[in-house]
Amino acid sequence: SQQGEEDPQALSIQEGENATMNCSYKTSINNLQWYRQNSGRGLVHLILIRSNEREKHSGRLRVTLDTSKKSSSLLITASRAADTASYFCATDGMDTGRRALTFGSGTRLQVQP
Amino acid sequence: DTEVTQTPKHLVMGMTNKKSLKCEQHMGHRAMYWYKQKAKKPPELMFVYSYEKLSINESVPSRFSPECPNSSLLNLHLHALQPEDSALYLCASSQDAGTGAVNTEAFFGQGTRLTVV
Repeated sequence: SQQGEEDPQALSIQEGENATMNCSYKTSINNLQWYRQNSGRGLVHLILIRSNEREKHSGRLRVTLDTSKKSSSLLITASRAADTASYFCATDGMDTGRRALTFGSGTRLQVQP
Repeated sequence: DTEVTQTPKHLVMGMTNKKSLKCEQHMGHRAMYWYKQKAKKPPELMFVYSYEKLSINESVPSRFSPECPNSSLLNLHLHALQPEDSALYLCASSQDAGTGAVNTEAFFGQGTRLTVV
């Protein structure tokens, strides 16, 4: 089952611009993670933010978490053509005790050179 | 070594065939997962193994049969599949397997692209 929704479903920007993706989820969480997937390949972990954190940075990535709104955002600054990929948020199931990640619907990002 | 290796990369099988997907990791992770992903959709959880025991089966049809021979290996045995089972099958592993939370990142293999004809 899908934990949450991401928006936009697709995003097209020019190189150098910033890209913002949003994720909403339904249950209580211990942490929220963001993953990247190049077309037809495996997922790569980008960043993990714990439920008691509000913001986290890693290189050109900035993630925010608002547990009261059950939402998170991923900002990629100064985008590059190589950032073209699908981006998924993922949550664990703290309420249910599910020891596995459930993924949001994903955002397909296209960065035009 | 932070790799999860999946074989084969591509598989075409008939509906009467029996085949197996293999997954291997040497990171000492005690949780291993199978996900199924259809085009333009997120990965969907199929099975979770924790300390080599099946801990989650997401009501997957019995034509998919998982097996965890040891802590480094995970197999998915396929039998009498349907064309709608065609998808990318992803294996993943993570360190955290003893609590009710996934507190560390999951490492994914590159997947097996399965086509059922």
